[in-house]
Amino acid sequence: EPEVTQTPSHQVTQMGQEVILRCVPISNHLYFYWYRQILGQKVEFLVSFYNNEISEKSEIFDDQFSVERPDGSNFTLKIRSTKLEDSAMYFCASSDEDREGNTEAFFGQGTRLTVV
Amino acid sequence: KQEVTQIPAALSVPEGENLVLNCSFTDSAIYNLQWFRQDPGKGLTSLLLIQSSQREQTSGRLNASLDKSSGRSTLYIAASQPGDSATYLCAVRSRRGADGLTFGKGTHLIIQP
Repeated sequence: EPEVTQTPSHQVTQMGQEVILRCVPISNHLYFYWYRQILGQKVEFLVSFYNNEISEKSEIFDDQFSVERPDGSNFTLKIRSTKLEDSAMYFCASSDEDREGNTEAFFGQGTRLTVV
Repeated sequence: KQEVTQIPAALSVPEGENLVLNCSFTDSAIYNLQWFRQDPGKGLTSLLLIQSSQREQTSGRLNASLDKSSGRSTLYIAASQPGDSATYLCAVRSRRGADGLTFGKGTHLIIQP
């Protein structure tokens, strides 16, 4: 069964460093997303991407963050100059829309980012 | 701004019981609602998707209902098993297309053998 894959599963980085989180969405999906979940808190929407551009972004997604689809399969989230409060689980998701307009999101296993 | 609340926050029941998890949302103008399961330290597994025009969806022992006008959804789990132990998340989408999901904090469910 097709699935969303994320790498790495766990990344430790020093404060101030740049990190890139990688995702391979389900191949025929058109919409791509990043979410984060700080330990013990809700899953929060960061950004959505469609037709090679950002479609929506939340207040969390400030200038520190950027997304890119560098080729036909990968979808990346870059965090510049990481801060301690960026420590969280980051989830990538993808979705498509069927003829009835049903949009079901499928999530990857997440990347646990630890900023020290 | 959409807010999603899930009650109870935690639930522990003996194996075999039928149980109901509740989800409420403040803005009834949703496009669809999705229930997920999350195991500790893992990703989110989609369980059921209900479009705003639908009243319920079923998958195996799971049944999800939607009352859009009152801003409520319930997830019914029949004949619970220890393997059902996980956190169950409710999430709503306000518009079609690339709109993001708004999540509740989840119900942490433990099924005692």
